Amino acid sequence: RKEVEQDPGPFNVPEGATVAFNCTYSNSASQSFFWYRQDCRKEPKLLMSVYSSGNEDGRFTAQLNRASQYISLLIRDSKLSDSATYLCVVRISSGSARQLTFGSGTQLTVLP
Amino acid sequence: NAGVTQTPKFQVLKTGQSMTLQCAQDMNHEYMSWYRQDPGMGLRLIHYSVGAGITDQGEVPNGYNVSRSTTEDFPLRLLSAAPSQTSVYFCASSLAGSTDTQYFGPGTRLTVL
Repeated sequence: RKEVEQDPGPFNVPEGATVAFNCTYSNSASQSFFWYRQDCRKEPKLLMSVYSSGNEDGRFTAQLNRASQYISLLIRDSKLSDSATYLCVVRISSGSARQLTFGSGTQLTVLP
Repeated sequence: NAGVTQTPKFQVLKTGQSMTLQCAQDMNHEYMSWYRQDPGMGLRLIHYSVGAGITDQGEVPNGYNVSRSTTEDFPLRLLSAAPSQTSVYFCASSLAGSTDTQYFGPGTRLTVL
């Protein structure tokens, strides 16, 4: 079983739609959670951190459910520029290492 | 600031050749790491460093060496390239004690024939 699992998609949605991505992680000792965005043939970039109480950044809302080991990302009013792959990322600390484990990503295409 | 830079952008090698992927950052970050990204696999950690002179293995270290003689540079060496090392390689850096934001370089696309 992968440590971080995501639905690979692709999700094809019309402009203005609301879309939600889910992610599950297997290690209950996971401490920090993030969503990264990766455009085609580009490097990943941090989209937002995910906090226990849930957090919002404009049209983006992230939720964490530690009991179910589940993270979600909601995008409202989708824009063409939201088309990208969204990576779920989990951090487990081990000594001095701060190792991040990446999901394989969910591909989103927003259609005009 | 240039951020994280990687060279070369593209490289084709023959099986058995060796080469070094270069990575440099100008943000005075202590933590640097190398990942490879393969279709359907996500990014996997190869090696990382928590500071100059300190390196450690990640999830998939076999066939790769690293060194960290300065804070700025973290080269990745392929000792004897194999087709299984065909991948996109990303270098990343972050500030120790931060909220773990990783800053990635633009990547190196490596093909081993």
